[in-house]
Amino acid sequence: LAKTTQPISMDSYEGQEVNITCSHNNIATNDYITWYQQFPSQGPRFIIQGYKTKVTNEVASLFIPADRKSSTLSLPRVSLSDTAVYYCLVGEDGGFKTIFGAGTRLFVKA
Amino acid sequence: NAGVTQTPKFQVLKTGQSMTLQCAQDMNHEYMSWYRQDPGMGLRLIHYSVGAGITDQGEVPNGYNVSRSTTEDFPLRLLSAAPSQTSVYFCASSYVGERGTGELFFGEGSRLTVL
Repeated sequence: LAKTTQPISMDSYEGQEVNITCSHNNIATNDYITWYQQFPSQGPRFIIQGYKTKVTNEVASLFIPADRKSSTLSLPRVSLSDTAVYYCLVGEDGGFKTIFGAGTRLFVKA
Repeated sequence: NAGVTQTPKFQVLKTGQSMTLQCAQDMNHEYMSWYRQDPGMGLRLIHYSVGAGITDQGEVPNGYNVSRSTTEDFPLRLLSAAPSQTSVYFCASSYVGERGTGELFFGEGSRLTVL
């Protein structure tokens, strides 16, 4: 099973860069790595998805090493509104069994 | 576009009652899935579907049934509700890519309490 492991929680300050690493040792050859953000009482929201190397969009970057056994979500210059739970997801069963794991609780302080 | 719509938003059941949580999407997505989220915990996959007529079990399928007769709808049935099924339920949908799902779009959730 492509189980993911993330830190339970992280603290940061406004304006800092935050890097959250996810371990997925048993990732299958064809699986994507996807990150989601969840605020209280809301459904998760897509942040970024990648397969290998580096992916960047308007809100984050995703770094994936060559062996793909881990990935790092990078949030540049976080603000108070980035306080949320962040989930790393690796799909199983051809990428369709979407297992979320426990997530990382990020707390951004002023 | 409404996206993913879940009904009802809140429901209280007595132990042993049955009910159906409705989920509909208007994005023509092949993939749909149901999750439950207990307080302070991550999401756990209950059932998923990669197209009409196709369903499969997730991590915690016991006590739940699903069907997928149309692309748009993916109802979740609780057969005989138990207090352990008290949770927030999320439905999601996505297109199907060459390596599985793309971006999952989530509904607002359905909060279920079983007494």
